[in-house]
Amino acid sequence: QVQLVESGGGVVQPGRSLRLSCAASGFTFSSYGMHWVRQAPGKGLEWLAFISSDETNKYYADSVRGRFTISRDNSRNILYLQMDSLRAEDTSVYYCARIRSSWELAAFAYWGQGTLVTVSS
Amino acid sequence: QSELTQPPSVSGAPGQRVTISCTGSSSNIGAGYDVHWYQQLPGAAPQLLLYGNNHRPSGVPDRFSGSKSGTSASLAITGLQAEDEADYYCQSYDNSLSGSLFGGGTKLTVL
Repeated sequence: QVQLVESGGGVVQPGRSLRLSCAASGFTFSSYGMHWVRQAPGKGLEWLAFISSDETNKYYADSVRGRFTISRDNSRNILYLQMDSLRAEDTSVYYCARIRSSWELAAFAYWGQGTLVTVSS
Repeated sequence: QSELTQPPSVSGAPGQRVTISCTGSSSNIGAGYDVHWYQQLPGAAPQLLLYGNNHRPSGVPDRFSGSKSGTSASLAITGLQAEDEADYYCQSYDNSLSGSLFGGGTKLTVL
């Protein structure tokens, strides 16, 4: 079955960097686009970034464009989110999600359990 | 304005029917993009509830249904059960943002 496992979260000081990983299994990773979504404590879901199956297309939310970079390693079935210049408002649980089909605008069909990032001095 | 607006909360007694609205604009729902709905149980990750406006993934009861018209969409839940108590989010694509968009979420309370 489809499994997504995020890792790399933790406590980081403002201005520092962190890289999140999402290990995928149970499906052909290289065939699906992937998203990162976050949720601040007690708040709603915020879409962050999308990467197409072959890395051709990458899209970002305004709130993270220029600071966060989405990438993937299809040989290792891993999705990444490089987060630079972190701010207190980036404190959230970060989820990776796989789209339902090969269509880029498909629904977010599978989600990981999330990894918590806390930005604090 | 690129946003999807949901009521913060709705409630209903067991067995009743509730609806959750999701109001967008001409750059998202009104542009014809599909609306998807997610359920987030307390302390858990979100899970897909409806896709493509009104399609249920395998395992989702037919008590859940969706509709879309103009710049809005709705999620309807009939025969409310205690286990339906959760947060619900709508999601669509926005062409002015060139990215996905979530509604603010609606907390469903089963009385």
